[in-house]
Amino acid sequence: GAGVSQTPSNKVTEKGKYVELRCDPISGHTALYWYRQSLGQGPEFLIYFQGTGAADDSGLPNDRFFAVRPEGSVSTLKIQRTERGDSAVYLCASSLTLQGIQYFGAGTRLSVL
Amino acid sequence: KNEVEQSPQNLTAQEGEFITINCSYSVGISALHWLQQHPGGGIVSLFMLSSGKKKHGRLIATINIQEKHSSLHITASHPRDSAVYICAVRYSGGGADGLTFGKGTHLIIQP
Repeated sequence: GAGVSQTPSNKVTEKGKYVELRCDPISGHTALYWYRQSLGQGPEFLIYFQGTGAADDSGLPNDRFFAVRPEGSVSTLKIQRTERGDSAVYLCASSLTLQGIQYFGAGTRLSVL
Repeated sequence: KNEVEQSPQNLTAQEGEFITINCSYSVGISALHWLQQHPGGGIVSLFMLSSGKKKHGRLIATINIQEKHSSLHITASHPRDSAVYICAVRYSGGGADGLTFGKGTHLIIQP
């Protein structure tokens, strides 16, 4: 596709459940980022992939959060035992290189009830 | 703590006015980004700069590395410019590889 695609656009789940959020970056972009944006705040960095490897996961809040990018393209953000505080918009971005302009997806709005 | 501060937080102006949004940061950076976010919409990158000034249409971004400060200007503002404008930086010398974002400036341009 032409841009970064994120699915689903909205996800409602119950506290304690497991969720997966998908990001399909722009073709050829080796760098992929996950961010989280709470209401009224700017996005916060979660994790960065260069190719298949997680080059920097320093922003993941705890071990309930995990992300993979097995073939260096699509990435999945996984959240175990969801908590109400995980409710936010999860944004994915990709760029040609680490230093390049980042292109953002429309985000997945996660609501944990 | 590495922080990105934006001002003002909210700005309402009349169509045609010259708009300035400011961004300051605390430590050295390798690049600064200005982004636009419409309500319910995704984030669009406007500028990425590491020095000097860039211009695109009615938008101008400047950065002063010594003062750790950047400004985004909008000339001849229009209601369609209404959005949240976010400043984000990539810190140099180690730290997270992702961007660190300000809280954004909510701009409303009234006709």
